[in-house]
Amino acid sequence: EVQLVESGGGLVQPGGSLRLSCAASGFTFSSYNMNWVRQAPGKGLELVSYISSSSSTIQYADSVKGRFTITRDNAKNSLSLQMSSLRAEDTAVYYCGREPPIAVAVDYWGQGTLVTVSS
Amino acid sequence: QSALTQPASVSGSPGQSITISCTGTSSDVGGYNYVSWYQQHPGKAPKLLIYVVTNRPSGVSDRFSGSKSGNTASLTISGLQAEDEADYYCSSYTGSSTRYVFGTGTKVTVL
Repeated sequence: EVQLVESGGGLVQPGGSLRLSCAASGFTFSSYNMNWVRQAPGKGLELVSYISSSSSTIQYADSVKGRFTITRDNAKNSLSLQMSSLRAEDTAVYYCGREPPIAVAVDYWGQGTLVTVSS
Repeated sequence: QSALTQPASVSGSPGQSITISCTGTSSDVGGYNYVSWYQQHPGKAPKLLIYVVTNRPSGVSDRFSGSKSGNTASLTISGLQAEDEADYYCSSYTGSSTRYVFGTGTKVTVL
């Protein structure tokens, strides 16, 4: 069974940093591209970052470029998102998602982890 | 890259069919067949319903179907059921550095 479990969310002050993690199981992690997608309270979905299976291609939303860094460890089946210079508008539920090889989509989602940026 | 445009809400009675539109540009929906649709119930993670315009993942009801014409993609839900009441989002590959963009979301209400 495919499982994606996020952790690391919490309350952080503006300007602070936080590191999110996603533990993957039930599939060959190294064969899949991965995404971080976020959803602000009461709002829609936004792709935050994408990383290819070998980490050769990395992409970011303009809203987080230069502040967030996505990485993966295929040996440990884990995905991370290092977030710095956090702003109130980064407050959201952050989902880890698997991208199937045949589509630009997310076929499996984690349960999400809430990041709240507030003083 | 701007969000794709969806109607804020769509409603229908049980058993009816409804269609949700997703309008983009020639740089996203119109330029690629990587259009997907997601269903999201309150407090839950999204669920993939349709990928590559018309394909359903294993386990997704055939009451859900997708199509595309020009810069507009559509999701049709036939035989509407109470459990279909949820938020629906489309997404499309953009070919740009942001990779793909989501729609604004549509709240489906079963009357």
